[in-house]
Amino acid sequence: EPEVTQTPSHQVTQMGQEVILRCVPISNHLYFYWYRQILGQKVEFLVSFYNNEISEKSEIFDDQFSVERPDGSNFTLKIRSTKLEDSAMYFCASSEKAEAFFGQGTRLTVV
Amino acid sequence: QKEVEQNSGPLSVPEGAIASLNCTYSDRVSQSFFWYRQYSGKSPELIMSIYSNGDKEDGRFTAQLNKASQYVSLLIRDSQPSDSATYLCAFATGTASKLTFGTGTRLQVTL
Repeated sequence: EPEVTQTPSHQVTQMGQEVILRCVPISNHLYFYWYRQILGQKVEFLVSFYNNEISEKSEIFDDQFSVERPDGSNFTLKIRSTKLEDSAMYFCASSEKAEAFFGQGTRLTVV
Repeated sequence: QKEVEQNSGPLSVPEGAIASLNCTYSDRVSQSFFWYRQYSGKSPELIMSIYSNGDKEDGRFTAQLNKASQYVSLLIRDSQPSDSATYLCAFATGTASKLTFGTGTRLQVTL
């Protein structure tokens, strides 16, 4: 069964460093998303991506964040100048139409 | 105003019983509704989607949507201990648009 895959599963970084979270969406899906979930809180939308451009972004997705589809299979989230409050689970998702399927997540810990 | 409201639980049901999970939403333009299951430390897993008023059944799961009342529910028949998880309600305002999640209801199925 096709699935969304994310790497790494866990990333520890020092405050102020840059991290890149990677995702391989399901191959025939055209819509890609990043969500995050701070421990104990709800899943929050960050950004959606379609046709090689951002289609929607939340207030959380400020200049600290960027997304890229560097090739035909990967979809990345870059977080610059990480802060302690960026510590969370980051989920990539993809969809063909309405139903979005999530990857297993990357646990980001900023120390 | 909260966009998606769910009772955080825990909702405790005995094995074999019917679990009933409820969700209300505030955005009247919502078109698509989803139930995700999330085990502790894992990613959301899509279990049901519903787009029109009424009931939709899939195995032991039944989703119910009432757009006039802005209410969606999930029934789990013959509950199993493996159903113990947090159930997330989510909606989208259009095809492939962002998902807005509730905080989730924690379900405990007891032996």
